[in-house]
Amino acid sequence: DTAVSQTPKYLVTQMGNDKSIKCEQNLGHDTMYWYKQDSKKFLKIMFSYNNKELIINETVPNRFSPKSPDKAHLNLHINSLELGDSAVYFCASSQGQGSGANVLTFGAGSRLTVL
Amino acid sequence: AQKITQTQPGMFVQEKEAVTLDCTYDTSDQSYGLFWYKQPSSGEMIFLIYQGSYDEQNATEGRYSLNFQKARKSANLVISASQLGDSAMYFCAMRDQPSGGSYIPTFGRGTSLIVHP
Repeated sequence: DTAVSQTPKYLVTQMGNDKSIKCEQNLGHDTMYWYKQDSKKFLKIMFSYNNKELIINETVPNRFSPKSPDKAHLNLHINSLELGDSAVYFCASSQGQGSGANVLTFGAGSRLTVL
Repeated sequence: AQKITQTQPGMFVQEKEAVTLDCTYDTSDQSYGLFWYKQPSSGEMIFLIYQGSYDEQNATEGRYSLNFQKARKSANLVISASQLGDSAMYFCAMRDQPSGGSYIPTFGRGTSLIVHP
């Protein structure tokens, strides 16, 4: 049973379209994250939710909107897709959000290609 | 300034040899956590090892150990007895609390390790 599952794994779409990526974790974790990994492998945090409450919102275009219906789910909706949005998007979760051993467990990633 | 610096974009090591992957970090927090993750070519992110800022002993997990030098703000990963399956990208990460806000896990740019037979 996959701990953090993301769907879809691959997404190919045209510029200007709107798309969503879904994430679910069955670990009972309180905190969930979205990271973007660019073509140079740089992992940049986008958002984080703790118990459905937004706690981290880095400098991300407002075309990106996260939604957390409950603490086990964190979805990412992207409006008006641009070429620069092409990347691998990782969902992750952790038990807590402090400085302790709150290890991030990652999903398998969703590769988004914008044509 | 970067919070996590990995100065080695690529490293090569002979199978069965040990290798050290460098990581330095920048934080003004007293309480923080340091992590290493492995990303093989298949793309998944695999947790390897954790070191807390108050831990006095260096963390070890099997063939992985973390050489934590707090005064130098370095957290190098040592892989002993390298195996071909160790070929991957390795990311150093830190969780701290900038400006007293939420704890943010930040990643370095990674080091690509290739293990030669």
